[in-house]
Amino acid sequence: AQTVTQSQPEMSVQEAETVTLSCTYDTSESDYYLFWYKQPPSRQMILVIRQEAYKQQNATENRFSVNFQKAAKSFSLKISDSQLGDAAMYFCAYRTLYTGANSKLTFGKGITLSVRP
Amino acid sequence: DARVTQTPRDKVTEMGQEVTMRCQPILGHNTVFWYRQTMMQGLELLAYFRNRAPLDDSGMPKDRFSAEMPDATLATLKIQPSEPRDSAVYFCASGFSGTDTQYFGPGTRLTVL
Repeated sequence: AQTVTQSQPEMSVQEAETVTLSCTYDTSESDYYLFWYKQPPSRQMILVIRQEAYKQQNATENRFSVNFQKAAKSFSLKISDSQLGDAAMYFCAYRTLYTGANSKLTFGKGITLSVRP
Repeated sequence: DARVTQTPRDKVTEMGQEVTMRCQPILGHNTVFWYRQTMMQGLELLAYFRNRAPLDDSGMPKDRFSAEMPDATLATLKIQPSEPRDSAVYFCASGFSGTDTQYFGPGTRLTVL
């Protein structure tokens, strides 16, 4: 079974600075998807960024980028130019490449990010 | 702007009562997932439907929980009887099989007293 680990429960960053959130996972599969979801106080789960394991290029979405290290099974999220609106809980998630009964997302425990003005 | 909708947004009930949560997936999506979020367990899958058929409900306590899709526009999660340990946020997510992304609704926060 796959597992996702987010070992840092909380992080803090100064507004306009850069912060990196860590995530490691364990799987025996060679192809899969990885995601970062954001959950602000509103509770809504918002997709931030996704990465296909078969792509070597790291995904980027505006101020959000990932550092995907397949061999190390590491998938960190970098937030540049942090904004007050980035304050939220962030979840790392894994999904198998194959559709079917195992298409669920496996989530880490999450990390609470606070942004200091 | 297509979104997954869930009702009710918040529900407070007493132990032993029946609770029904509803989800409207994004039009055209054929997969629906129910997740539960608690402080202790985090986010965990309860049930998964594809083309309205249940593919995986192994995460769901069978004695009190049931999930159905009466039609393609409605998914329901029912708890009968409810217990205080069922207090959690219940999320519905939808997607299209063959793609990887699941879109989440706003969740139902359930409090069982």
